[in-house]
Amino acid sequence: ELKVEQNPLFLSMQEGKNYTIYCNYSTTSDRLYWYRQDPGKSLESLFVLLSNGAVKQEGRLMASLDTKARLSTLHITAAVHDLSATYFCAVDTGRGSTLGRLYFGRGTQLTVWP
Amino acid sequence: DTGVSQDPRHKITKRGQNVTFRCDPISEHNRLYWYRQTLGQGPEFLTYFQNEAQLEKSRLLSDRFSAERPKGSFSTLEIQRTEQGDSAMYLCASSLNTRGSGTQYFGPGTRLTVL
Repeated sequence: ELKVEQNPLFLSMQEGKNYTIYCNYSTTSDRLYWYRQDPGKSLESLFVLLSNGAVKQEGRLMASLDTKARLSTLHITAAVHDLSATYFCAVDTGRGSTLGRLYFGRGTQLTVWP
Repeated sequence: DTGVSQDPRHKITKRGQNVTFRCDPISEHNRLYWYRQTLGQGPEFLTYFQNEAQLEKSRLLSDRFSAERPKGSFSTLEIQRTEQGDSAMYLCASSLNTRGSGTQYFGPGTRLTVL
């Protein structure tokens, strides 16, 4: 079965600093998602990466996908407190009409402190 | 677009009781998914529907669990003879099955506590 590994699982960083979260997965996929979850809340879609080399940016977050290395990164630039949350990557290994089932990592719990 | 809604938001039940949860997807979305999330873990896939057809079920979905999506609109997830291990957040998501992003949009979840 597909395995999705995120690291680190816990990240405590100071405001203004940069850091990268890594997401490795164990089988072929060209469709990867990043979600954010605040405590007690549901998941909010951040990015969808659909092909090798895809890069998406929104504010202080930038996500990239390397399908050959089976690796996605979520880079945080100049962190602010509002980014504190748990970040999940999720992989969909389906093709065409079989797209749908997502495999999630365990999440990276990010805390940004002043 | 009112988003995915779930009802109830919280459910406390005693072991052995049956519970049923409801999910209303985004109106034009033809795919609907159920996931389960426990503390400190990512969501785990349970099952999904395309329109009214249930296309896949996880091995996590024991025979005490059943899901339906009559008429391809809302869905229900029923757990019979609940066990303490069923305590979790049950998340519903929906998507549009196209060759586009296929992004799944999640509802607020139903938190189940089995005493």
